[in-house]
Amino acid sequence: GAVVSQHPSWVICKSGTSVKIECRSLDFQATTMFWYRQFPKQSLMLMATSNEGSKATYEQGVEKDKFLINHASLTLSTLTVTSAHPEDSSFYICSAFRGRADEQFFGPGTRLTVL
Amino acid sequence: SQQGEEDPQALSIQEGENATMNCSYKTSINNLQWYRQNSGRGLVHLILIRSNEREKHSGRLRVTLDTSKKSSSLLITASRAADTASYFCATEANQAGTALIFGKGTTLSVSS
Repeated sequence: GAVVSQHPSWVICKSGTSVKIECRSLDFQATTMFWYRQFPKQSLMLMATSNEGSKATYEQGVEKDKFLINHASLTLSTLTVTSAHPEDSSFYICSAFRGRADEQFFGPGTRLTVL
Repeated sequence: SQQGEEDPQALSIQEGENATMNCSYKTSINNLQWYRQNSGRGLVHLILIRSNEREKHSGRLRVTLDTSKKSSSLLITASRAADTASYFCATEANQAGTALIFGKGTTLSVSS
């Protein structure tokens, strides 16, 4: 159990377009999901915390109007990168919290390349 | 934000040798976890140690935690070429349901 999926696994888009990334908890309900970004040869940096039915909480320096997060159900959170630019090219990883301490599970990540 | 440093940033060893990586963090934690990441791939969860534990073993992995020093170490014994990857520590704060905060990572290279 405790499987988290992401879709797509990779995407290439043109500068100026928007890209939507989905994060799903397949076999459990996740009241909270987290979105991380990882640039090449760097660590994971938390972007935002997504709670079902409420607005996401963004970390300092992350533009909420650029990275739209929707957590419409207990099994799905989406991250939309709006008007993507080459500097948004990165590895985006989500995690889902199952409800108890020690129970956060990561998705496999989505590699975004903006041309 | 990141919790702190990992030491060393890069480590190169021969197959069969042991590899030790260290992690420091800044705040009180509920648990500390170690992950492996192969180049361009997702995270693989290795081991979790709770704040009231001092040492934990899993196969060739040994993790220690010193909450007084806010530090942890990961020991990989009898390393293999397949252990080549980046290793990250991540901490969960005292309040359950908060995001994991990652260290900067150690890149391990094991040559055969």
